[in-house]
Amino acid sequence: AQSVSQHNHHVILSEAASLELGCNYSYGGTVNLFWYVQYPGQHLQLLLKYFSGDPLVKGIKGFEAEFIKSKFSFNLRKPSVQWSDTAEYFCAVTFTTSGTYKYIFGTGTRLKVLA
Amino acid sequence: DAGITQSPRHKVTETGTPVTLRCHQTENHRYMYWYRQDPGHGLRLIHYSYGVKDTDKGEVSDGYSVSRSKTEDFLLTLESATSSQTSVYFCATGREPTDTQYFGPGTRLTVL
Repeated sequence: AQSVSQHNHHVILSEAASLELGCNYSYGGTVNLFWYVQYPGQHLQLLLKYFSGDPLVKGIKGFEAEFIKSKFSFNLRKPSVQWSDTAEYFCAVTFTTSGTYKYIFGTGTRLKVLA
Repeated sequence: DAGITQSPRHKVTETGTPVTLRCHQTENHRYMYWYRQDPGHGLRLIHYSYGVKDTDKGEVSDGYSVSRSKTEDFLLTLESATSSQTSVYFCATGREPTDTQYFGPGTRLTVL
């Protein structure tokens, strides 16, 4: 079955450290890829997305993600995190298979940034 | 963000009682979704709608039903609430089924 894996469930970093969160998916066809962020007590909101073109995508608040098709990965990066980046991050993959649409979220990565 | 509201925002109820959660959108999005969010499970799709009166099941639909009589409203009903349905419920909407989803503020439901 198709799935999305986020192997890091909890990450703790100090301010100014670099961040990389992993996301891998299992589907061999064309996909759309997303990262969503959920700040404490808030709803999910879009951080960035990739449909086609340049595999390096830049999003809000200095985040970026790279699509590596050969590795089925879409890792999220930020060169220097801030305390305000403390949140839960969800990777999502969408695709069409056998005429039906699939929108699959990963289980999330909780990031805590220490001031 | 799309104009998505959920009501109630918090509810405490007892096992066996019916509960209805409401999602209202002002963006005229065709697609609407109900998710539950639980620690360690992320977001799990309960039901979704692809138009007025057009709905389908998600991965965790047992014990839940939905209705969509108008474009802007999507109702989630727990016919007889159980403690395992204690969760945070999020509604989401989208223009296209494989594009960005826009989330509501969530409803925290506690079933005693």
